[in-house]
Amino acid sequence: DIQMTQSPSTLSASVGDRVTITCRASQSISSWLAWYQQKPGKAPKLLIYDASSLESGVPSRFSGSGSGTEFTLTISSLQPDDFATYYCQQYNTYWTFGQGTKVEIK
Amino acid sequence: EVQLVESGGGLVQPGGSLRLSCAASGFTFSTYAMNWVRQAPGKGLECVSYISSSSTTIYYADSVEGRFTISRDNAKNSLYLQMNSLRAEDTAVYYCARKSHGNYHFDYWGQGTLVTVSS
Repeated sequence: DIQMTQSPSTLSASVGDRVTITCRASQSISSWLAWYQQKPGKAPKLLIYDASSLESGVPSRFSGSGSGTEFTLTISSLQPDDFATYYCQQYNTYWTFGQGTKVEIK
Repeated sequence: EVQLVESGGGLVQPGGSLRLSCAASGFTFSTYAMNWVRQAPGKGLECVSYISSSSTTIYYADSVEGRFTISRDNAKNSLYLQMNSLRAEDTAVYYCARKSHGNYHFDYWGQGTLVTVSS
């Protein structure tokens, strides 16, 4: 099974900050990686797929990069609506999610 | 507008059974593969099952293999998850999620239904 490890687990930031979340795969997954945002009591929402493709309707302050085993999600200027938990997901071999990164208000 | 609405969750005793449903609308259900993803309270996400558009390909996570059965009725635009021999560790919110066309990420999710396994 492919394991996905996100860091950090929790991130404290302020509105306007540049935020970066890292996701590492236990083996190469090419670019078969997605990022989701989840708010309390809500379903996950797709942000990025194929490591760097922005889902339609998602603000351009979100971006993704990486390939192979190391990936990043960047929020260029954190907005109040962005405080949430973020998950990476590999779909190279079935599906595995990272454990999540909670972005909280500093 | 794409909508996925889960139902059928509730409280069940260990060893019991439950059948979840997911009603789809706003897209041609018969052309999309579907998944069930669960999230235990305060925990992360786990994909438990997948079914292709024509039901020819099915996947189960090891944690539910042999106990859960995924199915679909394209005429009724519905996805199902039959859950047997339920355990406390199956307690979670269960989401149905649509697999993107031509790719393998999940582009739409339902709001989820809570399954609680407890005596």
